[in-house]
Amino acid sequence: RKEVEQDPGPFNVPEGATVAFNCTYSNSASQSFFWYRQDCRKEPKLLMSVYSSGNEDGRFTAQLNRASQYISLLIRDSKLSDSATYLCVVRRDSWGKLQFGAGTQVVVTP
Amino acid sequence: ETGVTQSPTHLIKTRGQQVTLRCSSQSGHNTVSWYQQALGQGPQFIFQYYREEENGRGNFPPRFSGLQFPNYSSELNVNALELDDSALYLCASSWRTEETQYFGPGTRLLVL
Repeated sequence: RKEVEQDPGPFNVPEGATVAFNCTYSNSASQSFFWYRQDCRKEPKLLMSVYSSGNEDGRFTAQLNRASQYISLLIRDSKLSDSATYLCVVRRDSWGKLQFGAGTQVVVTP
Repeated sequence: ETGVTQSPTHLIKTRGQQVTLRCSSQSGHNTVSWYQQALGQGPQFIFQYYREEENGRGNFPPRFSGLQFPNYSSELNVNALELDDSALYLCASSWRTEETQYFGPGTRLLVL
């Protein structure tokens, strides 16, 4: 079983709509959680960290459920520029090794 | 931009050859991590360097080796290249091992 699993999508979303997707992680000792965004053939870029209490950054909301070992990302009022692959990332150790999911592709259409 | 640079941007090698990839970390960052991203997959951790010492390693064979220099730039060396080594190689730098990692643009390696 992979340490971090994501629905690969694609999620086809009309502009202005809301989209949400999850990822699950297998190691209950995982300490830190992130969402990275990756555009086609580009490097991953940190979108947001995910905290136990849930957190919001503009149109993006992240939630963490430690009991069920999943992380979610919700995008409101989707923009064309939100089209990308969203990588769920878990850090198990304090020294920084990141475990990536394979990514969820989001395509926002006019 | 993150300030992390990598060279070269693209590289074509043949099976059995050796390759060296380079990474310059963001100013002030003393930790560099290397990842391999195959097509359609998420990045996979290769190893991390902290203050010129290897600080952890993923599930990669010994023919993947690295180095970090006093200025915290880093190299990834791959010997005896195999077709499956074709991938995007990413380096990420951070201020400390546990801090946020910022990725460079990557080096695309094609092994024929």
